[in-house]
Amino acid sequence: EVQLVESGGGLVQPGGSLRLSCVGSGFTFSDHYMDWVRQAPGKGLEWVGRIRKKLNSYTTEYAASVKGRFIVSRDDSKNSLYLEMNSLKSEDTAVYYCVRADSGSFPHFDCWGQGTLVTVSS
Amino acid sequence: DIQMTQSPSTLSASVGDRVTITCRASQSISTYLAWYQQKPGKGPKVLIYRASSLESGVPSRFSGSGSGTEFTLTISSLQPDDFATYYCQQYSGYSLTFGGGTKVEIK
Repeated sequence: EVQLVESGGGLVQPGGSLRLSCVGSGFTFSDHYMDWVRQAPGKGLEWVGRIRKKLNSYTTEYAASVKGRFIVSRDDSKNSLYLEMNSLKSEDTAVYYCVRADSGSFPHFDCWGQGTLVTVSS
Repeated sequence: DIQMTQSPSTLSASVGDRVTITCRASQSISTYLAWYQQKPGKGPKVLIYRASSLESGVPSRFSGSGSGTEFTLTISSLQPDDFATYYCQQYSGYSLTFGGGTKVEIK
């Protein structure tokens, strides 16, 4: 069974940092682009960032709202995806989902984790 | 960035109804559009990709159509398990965007 499990969420003060992790199982992690998507309380979905696979040089893309503050990385040897979040703002409060993109050349999201809640508040 | 406008934002319907949700892109995205279903407290689940391809395991009462800038998700006969929030998403460019969501409620 394909599974994604996030961890690392919690309460952090404005201006602080937090690192989220996601472990994938049941599939060949290294074959897939991986993304982070977030959802503020009671709001819709917002794509955060992507990291491509080794074949694509592990290149990354970010939403304008987090570019320069967030970093997506991966460790294929550990089947793990990470999101380093810096200079956090109250508007970053959300459930953060780890998402697998399917293996096509223009991939859609075909598997989502259960999410981890990040709360930015003093 | 490509903007995705979804309508309606809320829809009240009864079991057995035919339901249609519309998504409009601010520029052409070919058929790089997916539809997701989300239930409270859960991560979304893909229903349709490439505008009209049914994800494996998804009931055939779900269908998608469209290309360019206009897309629709249709549920042919609404079932109790279908009351949820639905999102469209474009994946044609480097920056990915979602529609605002459509909550399907019990009438």
